[in-house]
Amino acid sequence: SAVISQKPSRDICQRGTSLTIQCQVDSQVTMMFWYRQQPGQSLTLIATANQGSEATYESGFVIDKFPISRPNLTFSTLTVSNMSPEDSSIYLCSGEGTGEAFFGQGTRLTVV
Amino acid sequence: GENVEQHPSTLSVQEGDSAVIKCTYSDSASNYFPWYKQELGKRPQLIIDIRSNVGEKKDQRIAVTLNKTAKHFSLHITETQPEDSAVYFCAASSGGYQKVTFGTGTKLQVIP
Repeated sequence: SAVISQKPSRDICQRGTSLTIQCQVDSQVTMMFWYRQQPGQSLTLIATANQGSEATYESGFVIDKFPISRPNLTFSTLTVSNMSPEDSSIYLCSGEGTGEAFFGQGTRLTVV
Repeated sequence: GENVEQHPSTLSVQEGDSAVIKCTYSDSASNYFPWYKQELGKRPQLIIDIRSNVGEKKDQRIAVTLNKTAKHFSLHITETQPEDSAVYFCAASSGGYQKVTFGTGTKLQVIP
């Protein structure tokens, strides 16, 4: 399967600021997804990133808070905007090829 | 939307014994069922998957069964080893680059 490089791996941010997370895939993938995972919890889908169109957000997540870019078939970014301590979590990007999802290594975000 | 339930949430077994994790799904359109293993601090890794046109799939010590009528699928790990200790997630998807919905996870501990 393809390999996704995600960065940063971790960050500590001040509340009210924004952080952009990047994911680079070593091959073209049709769909990319962004997840949030609280420690000890399952993965919650934030949005589906489509190339050439606006991302599709799941219930409870909005574009103003989590803007996403997908400029081509190998790259995507997720921005966590106007951060609060409640945004502290692990954020994972995922690519999908014929149904098999593979993940970046995750970004551990702490908001202070 | 799809809802995936997973049981048990924690499972402790003696080394060499078998472990079984069970999941149910709600969307009859789902036709792809992957299982992921996530070690502490690492990304989820696909360990086995099954599609709706088969009832069982095996890969060495790991097997997955699917009952489409009952909307149940299960992961079976035989001859467990300490390195099998991790959190396991089941998931469901309707395929065709559709989003993957994850179960709540099972923390497996294999006691040496």
